Amino acid sequence: DTGVSQDPRHKITKRGQNVTFRCDPISEHNRLYWYRQTLGQGPEFLTYFQNEAQLEKSRLLSDRFSAERPKGSFSTLEIQRTEQGDSAMYLCASSLGAGGPDTGELFFGEGSRLTVL
Amino acid sequence: AQTVTQSQPEMSVQEAETVTLSCTYDTSENNYYLFWYKQPPSRQMILVIRQEAYKQQNATENRFSVNFQKAAKSFSLKISDSQLGDTAMYFCAFNLNFGNEKLTFGTGTRLTIIP
Repeated sequence: DTGVSQDPRHKITKRGQNVTFRCDPISEHNRLYWYRQTLGQGPEFLTYFQNEAQLEKSRLLSDRFSAERPKGSFSTLEIQRTEQGDSAMYLCASSLGAGGPDTGELFFGEGSRLTVL
Repeated sequence: AQTVTQSQPEMSVQEAETVTLSCTYDTSENNYYLFWYKQPPSRQMILVIRQEAYKQQNATENRFSVNFQKAAKSFSLKISDSQLGDTAMYFCAFNLNFGNEKLTFGTGTRLTIIP
């Protein structure tokens, strides 16, 4: 499978715990995105990377959230001191980015569903 | 800020019929992309069709076509000869095309194809 993969697919945690999600993009893709999707809503942009550089962060990304893409390949999204409001589907997506055709198309993973009790 | 509105939370149609999903958006920019993404139950979101704002011709992809009305800021999706596999959430999305894929999504339309 050469698509975007995310791990874990489901995570249940207690309020106050830390959680980390991993995303492996399509191998030749330079850009990697994190989105959050809550029930009944469309995905909302959180942050994105061009290779290892984090180029933009949404105001939705509070100080408890941190994302990394250390070698320009996989990425991690960590949420510290989770709150019930963090319960959502966290979607990762990738694109060819600079150097590829500018189609605007994103390729999504299946998401990591977080439930905070 | 750009906004995308999908006013139909749910729709259903008989198999083989045609269905149209509505989307409106708001922007002051002239150059942008519009997309329809499909999210099947428990599956990843996939691109159905895309439209560049500078193109007057409506995009088509097999059974899927759009009606792009730039002045009205409307971007509807028509699915012809609907199939059971078309059952999914459909999201309209907007991108300003400023060198990234930071998409703004609507709230989605849940489409059910009835056998």
